[in-house]
Amino acid sequence: NAGVTQTPKFRVLKTGQSMTLLCAQDMNHEYMYWYRQDPGMGLRLIHYSVGEGTTAKGEVPDGYNVSRLKKQNFLLGLESAAPSQTSVYFCASNWRTAGLAGSTDTQYFGPGTRLTVL
Amino acid sequence: GNSVTQMEGPVTLSEEAFLTINCTYTATGYPSLFWYVQYPGEGLQLLLKATKADDKGSNKGFEATYRKETTSFHLEKGSVQVSDSAVYFCALSDKPTGGSYIPTFGRGTSLIVHP
Repeated sequence: NAGVTQTPKFRVLKTGQSMTLLCAQDMNHEYMYWYRQDPGMGLRLIHYSVGEGTTAKGEVPDGYNVSRLKKQNFLLGLESAAPSQTSVYFCASNWRTAGLAGSTDTQYFGPGTRLTVL
Repeated sequence: GNSVTQMEGPVTLSEEAFLTINCTYTATGYPSLFWYVQYPGEGLQLLLKATKADDKGSNKGFEATYRKETTSFHLEKGSVQVSDSAVYFCALSDKPTGGSYIPTFGRGTSLIVHP
């Protein structure tokens, strides 16, 4: 199993350019998430998905769009990149264990994508 | 809403010293609690977890006990090594009414261990 993979690992964009970050998991997980990590801010949830064809906003969704056309893939799009979107982006996935108190829903993270917007 | 508060770093220790990283939480339900570790240049990975009160999670010499009465999940290790240098994140997962298991992370605590 490759686990959670992210493409690309590094990217430099100019302000106004667009790009798509790809996350893929081979663990048949239902839930997938996109986070950004900035110094002193910890992890902030951008968008998430609870299953194929579904998406929902997280804490900091503005400027990003997502799609989950296939269960194993979760795409994060930046339509018009801004310097404030310079960050490290992490994808994660986990099982859904609905109905259980105290779910053991461990998150599995990808290695990250380091994005710089000039 | 849910929140996780952990001590700010960096925490700097000498090898073989005792480690404590404090973590407290607020949650509307009955959450599961986690510690994740992030080594330089990598993503987060699960270190340990606990799902109910008084449970103790342990792994690689680290341990943390789920204390419902004090809403805490402090991370401890008796003797740290240089290889433990990393950023440690406390997190909780709680299912809101009719909702999904969306995790809440603390801001992370950087640990630096000197030889």
